[in-house]
Formats: sequence, C-alpha cells, structure tokens
Amino acid sequence: GAGVSQSPSNKVTEKGKDVELRCDPISGHTALYWYRQSLGQGLEFLIYFQGNSAPDKSGLPSDRFSAERTGGSVSTLTIQRTQQEDSAVYLCASSFLSNQPQHFGDGTRLSIL
Amino acid sequence: DQQVKQNSPSLSVQEGRISILNCDYTNSMFDYFLWYKKYPAEGPTFLISISSIKDKNEDGRFTVFLNKSAKHLSLHIVPSQPGDSAVYFCAATHAGNNRKLIWGLGTSLAVNP
Repeated sequence: GAGVSQSPSNKVTEKGKDVELRCDPISGHTALYWYRQSLGQGLEFLIYFQGNSAPDKSGLPSDRFSAERTGGSVSTLTIQRTQQEDSAVYLCASSFLSNQPQHFGDGTRLSIL
Repeated sequence: DQQVKQNSPSLSVQEGRISILNCDYTNSMFDYFLWYKKYPAEGPTFLISISSIKDKNEDGRFTVFLNKSAKHLSLHIVPSQPGDSAVYFCAATHAGNNRKLIWGLGTSLAVNP
C-alpha cells in the first residue's frame, strides 16, 4: 500500500513479557518517528530516525524501550519487561524530509495485563 | 507543561456552518504548525499546515490562521459537513527539536445534519 503500515494492529500480552512493534514507512521517506498515546493523554514523541544519522532517543521513557531502523526503511520498536503503564496506542509516522508533514499509520494498540 | 493547548475538548456545529477550532502555544521557537484529523481506531491524518512566515494558509474548505504575537492559531472549516466529525489535533514543531511534533490534546468536533 501507499501509506504507513504498522503491525500488529492489536497486541495483548502479560506483564513482564517483551513485545516488538513494526513500522513500514512510505517508500522514499527518510524521516521516521514513533509516538504513543496513552489513555486520556496527548500524543508523546518517543524516537526519531533520519537517514543514516544517529537517532534522537530523547522521548524514550525508560531503558526498557529501544528502536532500530534497518536499511533506512522498516523500523521496530521493542519494549522489554512490559509494565501496565506501557499500555497505549503506539503510532509510527514518516515524512519525505523532516521539515515536511508527517504521515501516520493506524497504530498498534498495546494492552498489558 | 503543555506547550500546545487546545482549550475546548469538544465543539458542536450545524452542517453548512463554520467550525472554528482554536490552539494556543507557549514556545516561541515553534515555526511550523499542523492540523491533523483523527477518526477512532485510525492514525491521525494530515489536514493543513502553516509556516511561521505566513499568517494564513487555505486549502479548499480548510483555512488556518496564525497570530504569532498572540501565539494562537485557528482552523476554520467552511462549510462544515457531517463527515468532518472527528477529533482535531493541533501540533507544532521547530527545526531545533528534529521536527518532532508537540501535540495538543485535541478537540472533538461534531457536525450535526
């Protein structure tokens, strides 16, 4: 498809388990962002990738969170030893260049039991 | 602290009338502002943006106005249609923060037939 694709769309897991979320950005987009929206909260920035530059990880809430972007395309966000407060919708966005509008996927709804 | 504020959680307008959604910001470094529309269970969809060098940008039924001295922007939808019913988010960014979006909490717009 032509848009940003995220998988899985829903994930339910037990506290303490690791989860991996995937994002396929729009082809040719060099900038990729991860955000999350917790219940009753606004969207918050997590991490930013731009080309081959070092990622901006300033929004990651703890060292249990990590992300990588392989080959300048697909990105995975990994949460280790999940906690209940990690429950949220995780959104991925990409843009052709960082100074252009970001286009979002439909997100992964993560529920930690 | 909330750098981008949407003080109206909800708005209801009649079909055919004007919808005005407001947004205030506190960070004078912001130089690019965007409006996104969001339906339930979908990611945000980009609507319209404005650079801080402009005070108005128009795209069809959507117009965004920027008042830098007041640190205020607004989105006008004319005429409003029932399909416009959604949550509208204001977001802001600047070059110094890798263009990560700082979001308001959203305004839920209901357009009544």
